[in-house]
Amino acid sequence: GAVVSQHPSWVICKSGTSVKIECRSLDFQATTMFWYRQFPKQSLMLMATSNEGSKATYEQGVEKDKFLINHASLTLSTLTVTSAHPEDSSFYICSARSAGAQETQYFGPGTRLLVL
Amino acid sequence: QQQVKQSPQSLIVQKGGISIINCAYENTAFDYFPWYQQFPGKGPALLIAIRPDVSEKKEGRFTISFNKSAKQFSLHIMDSQPGDSATYFCAASSLSGTSGTYKYIFGTGTRLKVLA
Repeated sequence: GAVVSQHPSWVICKSGTSVKIECRSLDFQATTMFWYRQFPKQSLMLMATSNEGSKATYEQGVEKDKFLINHASLTLSTLTVTSAHPEDSSFYICSARSAGAQETQYFGPGTRLLVL
Repeated sequence: QQQVKQSPQSLIVQKGGISIINCAYENTAFDYFPWYQQFPGKGPALLIAIRPDVSEKKEGRFTISFNKSAKQFSLHIMDSQPGDSATYFCAASSLSGTSGTYKYIFGTGTRLKVLA
């Protein structure tokens, strides 16, 4: 149980375009989803926390207009990287928690974004 | 105060040996300490987690030792196998007063290589 999927797993785009990444909880309802960014050989940095039906809470230094997060249902959250630039190239990982396991986060497989 | 310090940065262990990874924290409000395993290009997977009311938790070959007074916790991998070669992250979390959500602070990661 507690499976989280992400789509796409890989995306290559041109500079200036927008990219949408989906995060789905497959076998549980995710009251909260988190979005992380991970650079090569580095730790996970939390970008934002989203609760279903409400606006996302962004961490300090994360541009909310650059990284749009929508959590429209209990099983789906999306991250849109708007007007992507090469410096946005990274590994983006979502995680989700259910109402019944407040502390535990289950992570998706990640999405590798390369902006040319 | 929000940092979690993890050591060593990398670790090489012979097959069958014990791998030990250490983490230390400052914030006494932390009350949930998970360990995650991450393979290259994949999302982190939950290994084992502990709360500060116990000093040790064991699941299969994985054991967490927790020292509340020293604000330290460690992961022990017994009978280490080549398949255990991965990056391990400790994390610490507490209930955020503003959002009512457990947010993780991750350690910097330890790259473990188990030699065959």
